Amino acid sequence: DTAVSQTPKYLVTQMGNDKSIKCEQNLGHDTMYWYKQDSKKFLKIMFSYNNKELIINETVPNRFSPKSPDKAHLNLHINSLELGDSAVYFCASGPGLKETQYFGPGTRLLVL
Amino acid sequence: GQNIDQPTEMTATEGAIVQINCTYQTSGFNGLFWYQQHAGEAPTFLSYNVLDGLEEKGRFSSFLSRSKGYSYLLLKELQMKDSASYLCAVKRGGGNKLTFGTGTQLKVEL
Repeated sequence: DTAVSQTPKYLVTQMGNDKSIKCEQNLGHDTMYWYKQDSKKFLKIMFSYNNKELIINETVPNRFSPKSPDKAHLNLHINSLELGDSAVYFCASGPGLKETQYFGPGTRLLVL
Repeated sequence: GQNIDQPTEMTATEGAIVQINCTYQTSGFNGLFWYQQHAGEAPTFLSYNVLDGLEEKGRFSSFLSRSKGYSYLLLKELQMKDSASYLCAVKRGGGNKLTFGTGTQLKVEL
């Protein structure tokens, strides 16, 4: 299937741990994104990469580090997890500067 | 900065028409998107407006007035499956950054 996929779908972990979320798209898009959706359902962009190059880096703690090994993958590594990091993290991709962004299924992160 | 406002909740009846409004304040406006998000699922693209006017796509239409900083999403012949959150998002400048509103939770009742 052509899509944006993320793993894992659910992630429950302890405060202070380090975890990674992976994202892959096989749509041939040049641009990929990470969004965070909090408990109030507010969706906010964190990062954007275009052809493996970081182009958007919002005010995100440096405990969050995105990595794009190639333009089909954008992973998110989070160090020293905190309670406030609990949220749903969505990966998305889009065809360069064109309009539509396609979202992955989300990763539900719960920090205990 | 950007300010995007939508009603928090709306309720409508199956078979009816509902209009969800979105107002925004931004510089360098370069397009407005509507996304639908069912509970526990990813947002899915509904519509895109960059010029003033109405874009129709089946039961869904979206309208934009750039001078007024205003858009609406019109849903006709409502079905129960239309119960979802509807997110308004604004693109600014030449880049790909979308800024989302807080979403409107629509409940369709019998």
